[in-house]
Amino acid sequence: DAKTTQPNSMESNEEEPVHLPCNHSTISGTDYIHWYRQLPSQGPEYVIHGLTSNVNNRMASLAIAEDRKSSTLILHRATLRDAAVYYCILRAAIIQGAQKLVFGQGTRLTINP
Amino acid sequence: KAGVTQTPRYLIKTRGQQVTLSCSPISGHRSVSWYQQTPGQGLQFLFEYFSETQRNKGNFPGRFSGRQFSNSRSEMNVSTLELGDSALYLCASSQRTSGLGELFFGEGSRLTVL
Repeated sequence: DAKTTQPNSMESNEEEPVHLPCNHSTISGTDYIHWYRQLPSQGPEYVIHGLTSNVNNRMASLAIAEDRKSSTLILHRATLRDAAVYYCILRAAIIQGAQKLVFGQGTRLTINP
Repeated sequence: KAGVTQTPRYLIKTRGQQVTLSCSPISGHRSVSWYQQTPGQGLQFLFEYFSETQRNKGNFPGRFSGRQFSNSRSEMNVSTLELGDSALYLCASSQRTSGLGELFFGEGSRLTVL
């Protein structure tokens, strides 16, 4: 399984943008980059995913480097509710074993009021 | 639309006992996977089911088993419980079987082994 590397923790202030980095230097051409987050006392929650191009949705934006060896999850305006552990995960677009997510330690994001 | 439902939410067992956890996926979802979360090891994949067939299994001993029923509901069983099995057990369901489908997680079943 291809590995991802994330900082253990990050801190930001409410209503400011947050950039969460992820390195995945061994990514293969068919791996999609997925982000999930886990709020306290809840199961993980899907945030966003992409392959090559930058992606936007109502929760966040995903910026993918041209060589795909790194990516950045962008929360445009952090709120207290965004305090969570954020996981960057590589998933192969195949049927067999597709539901196996390999979680690293993730980045614990703290939002200051 | 109801989310993924896991029962029971909390349970306490003693060493040597067995436990069965249940997961009802989102209606229409046919893929179900199970994860174990502990403070030391983080989130680890247990197994994955699609159409009543186990399609992938994580690196856990044979004491951990599971099954999926024709209505896509799934159960996992842990026999001969050990202290180290204390964890949050999470179930996730997905509509698609490729690596693109979003996984929807339940709130988990928190097992304490005494």
